[in-house]
Amino acid sequence: EAGVTQFPSHSVIEKGQTVTLRCDPISGHDNLYWYRRVMGKEIKFLLHFVKESKQDESGMPNNRFLAERTGGTYSTLKVQPAELEDSGVYFCASSFRMSGANVLTFGAGSRLTVL
Amino acid sequence: GQQVMQIPQYQHVQEGEDFTTYCNSSTTLSNIQWYKQRPGGHPVFLIQLVKSGEVKKQKRLTFQFGEAKKNSSLHITATQTTDVGTYFCAWGGSYIPTFGRGTSLIVHP
Repeated sequence: EAGVTQFPSHSVIEKGQTVTLRCDPISGHDNLYWYRRVMGKEIKFLLHFVKESKQDESGMPNNRFLAERTGGTYSTLKVQPAELEDSGVYFCASSFRMSGANVLTFGAGSRLTVL
Repeated sequence: GQQVMQIPQYQHVQEGEDFTTYCNSSTTLSNIQWYKQRPGGHPVFLIQLVKSGEVKKQKRLTFQFGEAKKNSSLHITATQTTDVGTYFCAWGGSYIPTFGRGTSLIVHP
């Protein structure tokens, strides 16, 4: 079974530019999460989809971040315009169920560097 | 709100020494998960603990959940260089897992 795939693996952009990150979850996983890890800090929750619906976007920093999951399959996270503090590794994770053991499978991450 | 602290932030050990990381909560947790992230890698699920006082073992790794379900620990016996990485506890696992700051383990050969 294919795992969670993320693209690009690394993006370097200048402040003010736009970047779109993509995540393909494991097939059949209704739950899709975005997290961000800034070096040395915690893995911070950004938002959660169930199928195509946003269930919780309380972790989204501000309105420069927009996440979509059209059709309930892959998801995109757009940052526009990017700021220096947006740098970090953006992880996507998916899971099959919410109750009981909600085990997350993470992608390899997309490292974003804003100059 | 719920406060969970993970300590220590870093731990240097000589290969063969033991290692322990702790997660301590101010409130009762329904369950706790542990993940490992290798340098340059992504978090990988290790285990979930649900029951009060639960102890689970995976080879050299021992996971414990406190009787009051307010703390948890991960203990590695006789560390190896392959144990290098950051170990995270995560809570709220049935809903949206919230991650601690992690403990970075550095093993010196």
